[in-house]
Amino acid sequence: AQSVTQPDIHITVSEGASLELRCNYSYGATPYLFWYVQSPGQGLQLLLKYFSGDTLVQGIKGFEAEFKRSQSSFNLRKPSVHWSDAAEYFCAVGTNAGKSTFGDGTTLTVKP
Amino acid sequence: GAVVSQHPSRVICKSGTSVKIECRSLDFQATTMFWYRQFPKQSLMLMATSNEGSKATYEQGVEKDKFLINHASLTLSTLTVTSAHPEDSSFYICSARARVDEQYFGPGTRLTVT
Repeated sequence: AQSVTQPDIHITVSEGASLELRCNYSYGATPYLFWYVQSPGQGLQLLLKYFSGDTLVQGIKGFEAEFKRSQSSFNLRKPSVHWSDAAEYFCAVGTNAGKSTFGDGTTLTVKP
Repeated sequence: GAVVSQHPSRVICKSGTSVKIECRSLDFQATTMFWYRQFPKQSLMLMATSNEGSKATYEQGVEKDKFLINHASLTLSTLTVTSAHPEDSSFYICSARARVDEQYFGPGTRLTVT
């Protein structure tokens, strides 16, 4: 069975600083990997996904993530954080059947 | 991008009653939809996979007689929480699968059972 670990429960960064959110996964086959963002009381918005090919994936809102098979990681990065990026971030691994397993999430706080 | 809607967005019901939540894919057909449950400050837990025209597949530990899922068309899946109790209070989120690598989430339904 697949699993996802997001080691950081809560991260605080200053506005304009860079950001990296960590994600480690466990899956027996080639994974489909996703990063989602969720604002309070809202559904999930897809930031980016890795399916195959180039291991550096560009997403919306200036986010990118790098798939590293040797480390079983799919870390999310942004070079300069905006106050509006404050939210909950979920990493997920998906199967061919479309089922997704989510990490526990990382809460991002942005200091002015 | 593709849009998935949920209705209602919030519902309050009394203990012992049933409540139905709808999930619709507005601009694409989804042969598969998924239902998730999310407790406050926690991650999403997959409850069941809903396939159009067939019975839903429930995850281990999810009571299929309590959480009835119907996927009657390619754009609509419903989750009915039967004989609801306060412990069923949660945030329920559906998603619809457009392709194997494309899944779109609804905005969620906040259920409160009093």
